[in-house]
Amino acid sequence: GAVVSQHPSWVICKSGTSVKIECRSLDFQATTMFWYRQFPKQSLMLMATSNEGSKATYEQGVEKDKFLINHASLTLSTLTVTSAHPEDSSFYICSARDPTNTDTQYFGPGTRLTVL
Amino acid sequence: EDQVTQSPEALRLQEGESSSLNCSYTVSGLRGLFWYRQDPGKGPEFLFTLYSAGEEKEKERLKATLTKKESFLHITAPKPEDSATYLCAVQTSGTYKYIFGTGTRLKVLA
Repeated sequence: GAVVSQHPSWVICKSGTSVKIECRSLDFQATTMFWYRQFPKQSLMLMATSNEGSKATYEQGVEKDKFLINHASLTLSTLTVTSAHPEDSSFYICSARDPTNTDTQYFGPGTRLTVL
Repeated sequence: EDQVTQSPEALRLQEGESSSLNCSYTVSGLRGLFWYRQDPGKGPEFLFTLYSAGEEKEKERLKATLTKKESFLHITAPKPEDSATYLCAVQTSGTYKYIFGTGTRLKVLA
């Protein structure tokens, strides 16, 4: 099946610094990737849709300048959390839409961000 | 407003005790319904896609069914390794975005 990786799997940073998370589709090209945030014992909340070669589409309430998304190639999307604060601590998960089955999203393993 | 609701929120089963998880949805137009399994600290793992009422999919001890208003994930003779959170997601017409339910946390006791 389609494989999606994320890096890093966990990161701890100081308040005010920026953190970049990478999402890669390993065995397929993904024109569309998605970024989610998940709080403990809660479901996934869609943050933004990332389309290769164009600007990301953010969900209502998600700060564009806070969460910078770049989808520069068909296999890589990045999420940068700028000027991170403790309230940004969360589990961030990306997914990629499989073009051979355009409806199905395959998820990465997630990145645990802790901001001190 | 499009909405997806899962029940029960949590379920404890004895090994071998079959049961069903429910995913009810209210959407303007259904493009597809998806079931995922999520282990703690991991990303969701794809299980099934259902597109139309009456459709069924099976994989090992799991069977997913779909009606016009809900989907069921039937677990037959579960084992402890089936313990996980099961998520359903709905995709509406005209978009590739998912609307996730809140999930069912399943615990299977040996």
